Amino acid sequence: SQTIHQWPATLVQPVGSPLSLECTVEGTSNPNLYWYRQAAGRGLQLLFYSVGIGQISSEVPQNLSASRPQDRQFILSSKKLLLSDSGFYLCAWRDEREPAFFGQGTRLTVV
Amino acid sequence: QQQVKQSPQSLIVQKGGISIINCAYENTAFDYFPWYQQFPGKGPALLIAIRPDVSEKKEGRFTISFNKSAKQFSLHIMDSQPGDSATYFCAASRGSSNTGKLIFGQGTTLQVKP
Repeated sequence: SQTIHQWPATLVQPVGSPLSLECTVEGTSNPNLYWYRQAAGRGLQLLFYSVGIGQISSEVPQNLSASRPQDRQFILSSKKLLLSDSGFYLCAWRDEREPAFFGQGTRLTVV
Repeated sequence: QQQVKQSPQSLIVQKGGISIINCAYENTAFDYFPWYQQFPGKGPALLIAIRPDVSEKKEGRFTISFNKSAKQFSLHIMDSQPGDSATYFCAASRGSSNTGKLIFGQGTTLQVKP
């Protein structure tokens, strides 16, 4: 069966520090991968998606970037975090017309 | 065109009652409509989904009603229980797009009182 791993679960980082969040999927090949951000009490905002290795599309201009170095690995990064980058970050995968499955999320607090 | 509008923002229901959450969309190319349930500090989990070739889908106490002409769909939770207290998101996507992007509503926080 397919599983999705996302880490770390929580992270507290100072303003101006770098960021790297990792997501890996098991049990499927060539999935579509997504990074969403959820602000407190708000909906899910799509940040990036990828339909294949090295293929990244950005949905909103921001201080973050994404990379897909391997088929089932998706990384969210920042060179210098801002206070406004705080939030709950969710990785998800989807295979063709199947439902999207989410990881357990990373709670990022920028201080 | 890409938006999915969800209402109400919050909902309080007595145990045993019916919870109803509504969503509306504009893009007629959307052809997949899932509902997700999210508990605090957890990722959303798929609850139930529907495609526009049917007007209703039921799984246990959860039912999706779909009105293609009105471009609306709703989630009904029958016999609501305190364990159903969570945030619910509707979503939509275009099957013809290879990106599989899901566009989410803003969410509804449901509280079921014992």
